[in-house]
Parts: sequence; structure tokens; C-alpha cells
Amino acid sequence: DAKTTQPNSMESNEEEPVHLPCNHSTISGTDYIHWYRQLPSQGPEYVIHGLTSNVNNRMASLAIAEDRKSSTLILHRATLRDAAVYYCILRSFSGNTPLVFGKGTRLSVIA
Amino acid sequence: GAVVSQHPSRVICKSGTSVKIECRSLDFQATTMFWYRQFPKQSLMLMATSNEGSKATYEQGVEKDKFLINHASLTLSTLTVTSAHPEDSSFYICSARERGGQPQHFGDGTRLSIL
Repeated sequence: DAKTTQPNSMESNEEEPVHLPCNHSTISGTDYIHWYRQLPSQGPEYVIHGLTSNVNNRMASLAIAEDRKSSTLILHRATLRDAAVYYCILRSFSGNTPLVFGKGTRLSVIA
Repeated sequence: GAVVSQHPSRVICKSGTSVKIECRSLDFQATTMFWYRQFPKQSLMLMATSNEGSKATYEQGVEKDKFLINHASLTLSTLTVTSAHPEDSSFYICSARERGGQPQHFGDGTRLSIL
């Protein structure tokens, strides 16, 4: 799977929007962009995924660049419970390969 | 939503003990399950992939005789850490997927501490 690049850490104020960037310049045509987050002492939690079009769900929005070489996870109103490590992962739709985790972005939310 | 249950959540035991961790998919049939390990302040590292009814595929550097994986049914996989030593202390996390292309769902992890 292609590699992704994320900032090591970000900080946000509570109740403000957060934009978490991810670069994936070597993405292939069959790669989906997945976002997971890991709260302290828990397993990762699925957030959202997409291929080309922007995606929205109850947790977040995913904005994908037109050339697909970057994407942004958007939390519309950060809460203290959103403090976690956020992982951007590429995974090909075909096959049954596992998710491979990078270092992710540690998001801190300030009250 | 899909739920993966992992048990126990925490184990503390003496060096030389074997420890079994269970991973169950509660509301879907998991054709594939994955086991990860996470050391403090590090990311998840894939240990092995198991498909129901067949032998697990281990990542490079993971000892298959030390980390025994059984995936006997579509809803249950087990990881047994045999003759555990302090360096095996870690956070072990299982994951399951209903079929290829679907999101992976994760258990809450097992914190293993070997004294």
C-alpha cells in the first residue's frame, strides 16, 4: 500500500472545526483513503473512508483533492472526546490486505 | 455497527506463563482476522493475518511458534503467547473484517504485562 504523510501533532480549541491533513502523492487508482482514530488505551476506531468524492458521515467529513494526492479529515466541532491519534491509511479495494498504520497525528483539544 | 470483542482486557502474569487472548466478531462473520501489537508511544504493528480454517500468515520477525493463532470459526480467533517473557509485555489488538473491501473493526485491546 502507498505511504501517507501526516503532521505529528495538532491542537484545537473545543467546539471549533479541525482540519487534519494527509498527503499521499503515490496513491494508485484502486486505493481507498481510510481514516481511523485511536483514543487512549483503546483499539482504533473507524472514522470514514472514500475513493474520489467527498464523504460525510455522523463523525466527520472527508475532503479529497481532485488529483487524489492529498485529503483532509474535517471534524466540524471538536470536543474533548475527539482527542486521539488520527491515522490516514491507503488500502487497495481489491484483495484482503490488512491496514498498515503509520505514526498518525496526535490531536489535542483544549477546553 | 460492527463490533469486535476482545478478552481479557488486561493480563498480569509471571514470566514463563502462556496467555490466551480471544477475539470475537459479534454481529458479522469475519473471514479474516488480524492481530496487532503496540508498544508505548508507538503505532500499531501488524503481527499476523488469519483466515478462517487455514494457517495464519505471520509478518517478518514475528515468531509463529511463540505467537500461536487459531481461527477455527468465522466469529472467533485466538492468540496464545507461549512462555511469555517481560519483553512480550505490550498492548495486543485484534481486528476483523467481514470481507475484502469493508472497513476493519478493532477490539479494545489486551494489555499484557509479564513480571
